[in-house]
Amino acid sequence: AQTVTQSQPEMSVQEAETVTLSCTYDTSESDYYLFWYKQPPSRQMILVIRQEAYKQQNATENRFSVNFQKAAKSFSLKISDSQLGDAAMYFCAYRSPSNSGYALNFGKGTSLLVTP
Amino acid sequence: DVKVTQSSRYLVKRTGEKVFLECVQDMDHENMFWYRQDPGLGLRLIYFSYDVKMKEKGDIPEGYSVSREKKERFSLILESASTNQTSMYLCASSTGPYTEAFFGQGTRLTVV
Repeated sequence: AQTVTQSQPEMSVQEAETVTLSCTYDTSESDYYLFWYKQPPSRQMILVIRQEAYKQQNATENRFSVNFQKAAKSFSLKISDSQLGDAAMYFCAYRSPSNSGYALNFGKGTSLLVTP
Repeated sequence: DVKVTQSSRYLVKRTGEKVFLECVQDMDHENMFWYRQDPGLGLRLIYFSYDVKMKEKGDIPEGYSVSREKKERFSLILESASTNQTSMYLCASSTGPYTEAFFGQGTRLTVV
């Protein structure tokens, strides 16, 4: 089974600053999909950004961008101009198109604290 | 705008009880999932279903079963609840591999 590792249990950033959350994964496949989900205190999981492995260009969504390094099996999330509302748990996830049902494999999460 | 609905937000049950957690989605998705979320362990897949009456075990199926009689509804069953099943349970649904998975609000289950 593919494993996803988030090595930072907690991170802290000041408002308006930039922070990068790390994610590595282990797979023998060449075709797969990567996701970052955000879980605020409301518990609602929200998709932040996604990346297709066959696309070399890094995905961006407004203040959120990824650094996808396929050879290194690394998928980090950069949050620019951090806002108080960015405080949440962030989960990195892997999905293989060869798995029935397309289940997501999640990392253990990184808790992001945003300070004024 | 609700897409995935879990029947309870909080639930308290006694050891040995049979517990049903219900999940309904209104997006006509083929795939539905049950995850368990514990601090420091992330989300772990319990069971999933890719069609009506079809189900597959995830990473931690022991002590759980599921039922999917209709496309929109996926139930998680704890046959005999135990204290080590106290956790947050999240239901999700999706279609293809690149599509967004939509999650319910979670059920925080406490077994006493």
